[in-house]
Amino acid sequence: GAVVSQHPSWVICKSGTSVKIECRSLDFQATTMFWYRQFPKQSLMLMATSNEGSKATYEQGVEKDKFLINHASLTLSTLTVTSAHPEDSSFYICSAIQGNTEAFFGQGTRLTVV
Amino acid sequence: DAKTTQPTSMDCAEGRAANLPCNHSTISGNEYVYWYRQIHSQGPQYIIHGLKNNETNEMASLIITEDRKSSTLILPHATLRDTAVYYCIVRPYGSSNTGKLIFGQGTTLQVKP
Repeated sequence: GAVVSQHPSWVICKSGTSVKIECRSLDFQATTMFWYRQFPKQSLMLMATSNEGSKATYEQGVEKDKFLINHASLTLSTLTVTSAHPEDSSFYICSAIQGNTEAFFGQGTRLTVV
Repeated sequence: DAKTTQPTSMDCAEGRAANLPCNHSTISGNEYVYWYRQIHSQGPQYIIHGLKNNETNEMASLIITEDRKSSTLILPHATLRDTAVYYCIVRPYGSSNTGKLIFGQGTTLQVKP
C-alpha cells in the first residue's frame, strides 16, 4: 500500500510551548489528509479534515486556534499544537487519501507535555 | 457516531482462523465496509474492504451477508503478530465520499500460542 510518514514519532515539550507534527504522503499525491487524536485505551477521534490549498475543516469541539493545520502541498500537511498543556498529551495520527482510495495512515506521533 | 457494532474482545489460538464479526444494520446502499487494524502504538493499517460481494486478499477475507447488515473478517491462519485492535468501518463511495473514517471501539484480538 501507499506510504504515509509522520515526523516526529515522539516528542516531549514543556507546557506553554508549541509543537509541530508533519504528515507526508511519500509515493502519492494526497487530495485530502486527516488528523486524529487517540487517548490511552480509547479509539481514534477525528479532529479535522485538510485539503490542499484550503482551510481545514474541524470537527465539533476541536479548537481551531489551538490545533493549527496547514496543507501547503499535495504531499504535506502539518499540525501545530499551540500553547500545549498536559491535557494535550496524546497520540496524534494522520491519514491521507487520493480521490476515492482507501485511507493510509502514518505511524503516529506520541506527544507528551510536561 | 460509529455505525458499526463489534465485540469488545476475542481470543484466537495461533494457527487457527480468526473470525471477527461486525454488525452494520443501518448501512446505506452507497457505503462500503472497511476493515483496519491497529497494532499497539502504531497507526491503523488497511486490511480489506467490500461492497456486497465477498473479498479476499493476501491478508484476509471479508464475508458480507446478502442483506449487508453484517460482515465477518477472516484471518485464515492467525499468528501472534495479528494481535491488534480490529476496526470495522462503513464509508460512502462516490460523490458522498469525504474520505472520513469514523472509528468505533473495535475488537481487541488476542492471538495466543
